[in-house]
Amino acid sequence: AQSVTQLGSHVSVSEGALVLLRCNYSSSVPPYLFWYVQYPNQGLQLLLKYTSAATLVKGINGFEAEFKKSETSFHLTKPSAHMSDAAEYFCAVSVRTSGTYKYIFGTGTRLKVLA
Amino acid sequence: GAVVSQHPSRVICKSGTSVKIECRSLDFQATTMFWYRQFPKQSLMLMATSNEGSKATYEQGVEKDKFLINHASLTLSTLTVTSAHPEDSSFYICSAGGAVGTDTQYFGPGTRLTVL
Repeated sequence: AQSVTQLGSHVSVSEGALVLLRCNYSSSVPPYLFWYVQYPNQGLQLLLKYTSAATLVKGINGFEAEFKKSETSFHLTKPSAHMSDAAEYFCAVSVRTSGTYKYIFGTGTRLKVLA
Repeated sequence: GAVVSQHPSRVICKSGTSVKIECRSLDFQATTMFWYRQFPKQSLMLMATSNEGSKATYEQGVEKDKFLINHASLTLSTLTVTSAHPEDSSFYICSAGGAVGTDTQYFGPGTRLTVL
């Protein structure tokens, strides 16, 4: 069965510091992996996705993630945090069944950026 | 990215009434749409997957007679919460599936339902 684990429900970083949000997956087939961001009382916005092409994926707002098969990881990073990055971040893996697909989400990581 | 809208953004209703939430994909045709429920400070819980022109597939534990889903066109899906109770109060989010093979979902802004 496929699953996603996000280590750290809360992460705090100083403005300008490196952001690292962890995501590990479990999958018996090559996975499609996604990172989404959610601001308060809003839907989810796609940050980036891995669909078996380049292992280093660049997304919006300066975020990127690296797919590491040996570590079954897809951690999200940003070199320098901005106050506007404070939000909830979700990692998801796509599960395909009977010609369709659905997501399994991680439990989310709330990022706090300190001035 | 693709744009998905939801209406209404907020709704307050009395216990026992029904509420309909619309989800529209504005700039692409979505063969598949998904409905999620999100409790405060928690992750998204998939309620059902709907394909245009066919019956929705509900996740285990989701009452299909209580949460009616209709996907009548490639750009519109609706969720009707029937005979709403206070425990149905939640944040409901829809998403529309992108092109086949990308497995990408584009999410609506969500609907906050409060049942009094």
